[in-house]
Amino acid sequence: RKEVEQDPGPFNVPEGATVAFNCTYSNSASQSFFWYRQDCRKEPKLLMSVYSSGNEDGRFTAQLNRASQYISLLIRDSKLSDSATYLCVVNDGGGATNKLIFGTGTLLAVQP
Amino acid sequence: DVKVTQSSRYLVKRTGEKVFLECVQDMDHENMFWYRQDPGLGLRLIYFSYDVKMKEKGDIPEGYSVSREKKERFSLILESASTNQTSMYLCASRTETYNEQFFGPGTRLTVL
Repeated sequence: RKEVEQDPGPFNVPEGATVAFNCTYSNSASQSFFWYRQDCRKEPKLLMSVYSSGNEDGRFTAQLNRASQYISLLIRDSKLSDSATYLCVVNDGGGATNKLIFGTGTLLAVQP
Repeated sequence: DVKVTQSSRYLVKRTGEKVFLECVQDMDHENMFWYRQDPGLGLRLIYFSYDVKMKEKGDIPEGYSVSREKKERFSLILESASTNQTSMYLCASRTETYNEQFFGPGTRLTVL
């Protein structure tokens, strides 16, 4: 089983649509969760951290379900500029290393 | 603004050549990382470093080595490049206390 699993997509949605991505992780000791965004041929950049209580940043809402070990990202009122790959990221549970584990990403294509 | 720079955006080398990929960050971050990114496989950790002159193997260290002589600089070395090392190489840095990683723009390496 992969440590972080995501649906690769592509998700093709019209402008203005609401779209949601889910991600599951395998390490119950993981404590930090993130969504990164990666544009085509660019480096990943942090979109938002994911907190236990859920958090919102404008049109973006992230949720964490520790019991089921999944993370979600909801994008409302999609824009053309939202087209990108969204990477789900968790830490490896800390300890001596505290590495980040990256999912392979979900591709979103917003259509005019 | 945090800045992570990489020495080359594109590099073409021949099989058997020794290849140096340089990464410099300007935010006094303790931790630095080298990843490679391949379609369908996502970001895979090659090596990381938590301090000067310190290095730890990641998930796929074979065929690579690293050097961290100064805090701001982390170099990835391919001792004898092979065609299966053709990939996008991404460097990242972060502080000890916060998990957000800042990435460089990447080096697309082609080994012929």
